[in-house]
Amino acid sequence: DIQMTQSPSSLSASVGDRVTITCRASQSISTYLNWYQQKPGKAPQLLIYAASSLQSGVPSRISGSGSGTDFTLTISSLQPEDFATYYCQQTYSTLYTFGQGTKLEIK
Amino acid sequence: EVQLVESGGGLVQPGGSLRLSCAASGFTFSTYNMNWVRQAPGKGLEWVSYISSRSSTIYYADSVKGRFTISRDNAKNSLYVQMNSLRDEDTAVYYCARDRRVLEASHNYYGMDVWGQGTTVTVSS
Repeated sequence: DIQMTQSPSSLSASVGDRVTITCRASQSISTYLNWYQQKPGKAPQLLIYAASSLQSGVPSRISGSGSGTDFTLTISSLQPEDFATYYCQQTYSTLYTFGQGTKLEIK
Repeated sequence: EVQLVESGGGLVQPGGSLRLSCAASGFTFSTYNMNWVRQAPGKGLEWVSYISSRSSTIYYADSVKGRFTISRDNAKNSLYVQMNSLRDEDTAVYYCARDRRVLEASHNYYGMDVWGQGTTVTVSS
């Protein structure tokens, strides 16, 4: 199975900050990489697909980049509603796998 | 409104069985591949199983292979998972999720764009 490793596991930041979350795959996955946001008690929400394509309705301050094994999710100017847990997911393999998550907290 | 609603969760003893259902509405269910994803208490997301739109292709995570069976009834707009030989570690919120396909640069990209609210399964004696 393809292992997905996110860093950091948690992150404290302030409103207006620029933050970057990293996801690394155990083998090359081209750009078959998605990002999700999950708030407590809620289902995950798709943010980014194909490594860098913005899902409809997602604000443009959120962006994704990368290919092969290394990927990043960037939020250019944190808003209060962005404090949540973020997961990457690979769809290169038919056995989908998620990263362990990155919890973004208010400083 | 596009919607997925799970049901069937509950408390079951180790070794027991449970069948979860997911009712779809607001979209053409028969044209979408579907997934089950679970989340143990305080833990991250774990993909569990996948079924193609016409049930011709099915995949399972190693952790549930041989114990769980995914199925669907397109006439009833419903997705199911039959869970047997349940273990403590199967305790989780179970979500059904639609697998949306996008064609970009001659590649098919998939992403889970619609999720249900989840149903809780607790395995305990």
